[in-house]
Amino acid sequence: QVQLVQSGAEVKKPGASVKVSCKASGYTFTGYFMHWVRQAPGQGLEYMGWINPNSGDTKFPQKFQGRVTMTRDTSISTAYMELSRLRSDDTAVYYCARDFGTGLPNWCAPWGQGTLVTVSS
Amino acid sequence: DIQMTQSPSSVSASVGDRVTIACRASQEISSWLAWYQQKPGKAPKLLIYAASTLQSGVPSRFSGSESGTDFTLTISNLQPEDFATYYCQQVNSFPFTFGPGTKVEIK
Repeated sequence: QVQLVQSGAEVKKPGASVKVSCKASGYTFTGYFMHWVRQAPGQGLEYMGWINPNSGDTKFPQKFQGRVTMTRDTSISTAYMELSRLRSDDTAVYYCARDFGTGLPNWCAPWGQGTLVTVSS
Repeated sequence: DIQMTQSPSSVSASVGDRVTIACRASQEISSWLAWYQQKPGKAPKLLIYAASTLQSGVPSRFSGSESGTDFTLTISNLQPEDFATYYCQQVNSFPFTFGPGTKVEIK
């Protein structure tokens, strides 16, 4: 079955960077876009962008331009999301989510279990 | 960016009730809308996509509909496992924005 397993919780200082991994199994990794979504404590879902694991192409909302990097290692079916210049308001659970279908990116299903990133001095 | 609004922000209901959650897009998104369910401490789960198509394995008491830029999630015969927060998301244009969520609580 399709499974996404994310790396463990991280605690970072303001100004540092964090890199979250998402290991996929149960399907052809390069056949589906991967999305990233985050959720601050007690808040709603915020869309962070996608990566095409086949080509490496990425797309991010303007808000994250220059601070987020999405990469992948197809040899180990793993996607990565790196966020730099961390601020306290980046404290959130970060989710990877595979795209639902094999065409253009749209719905997110299934999701990883989430990775809590805490930014604190 | 397309703004998504949801109403109500929370609703109290009893087992067996019918619950309706509304989602509105700030501009035309055709049927490019999904509904997700999230339980505390868990990742969201896709319930409905393309505004009204039920994801495999989702109970038929969940249904979705659309009228222009207004979308509705209906839960008929509310079950104990349905108490959760529900989010809509548009994927018509980038960035793919979520609504603020509707929490369904036990009355």
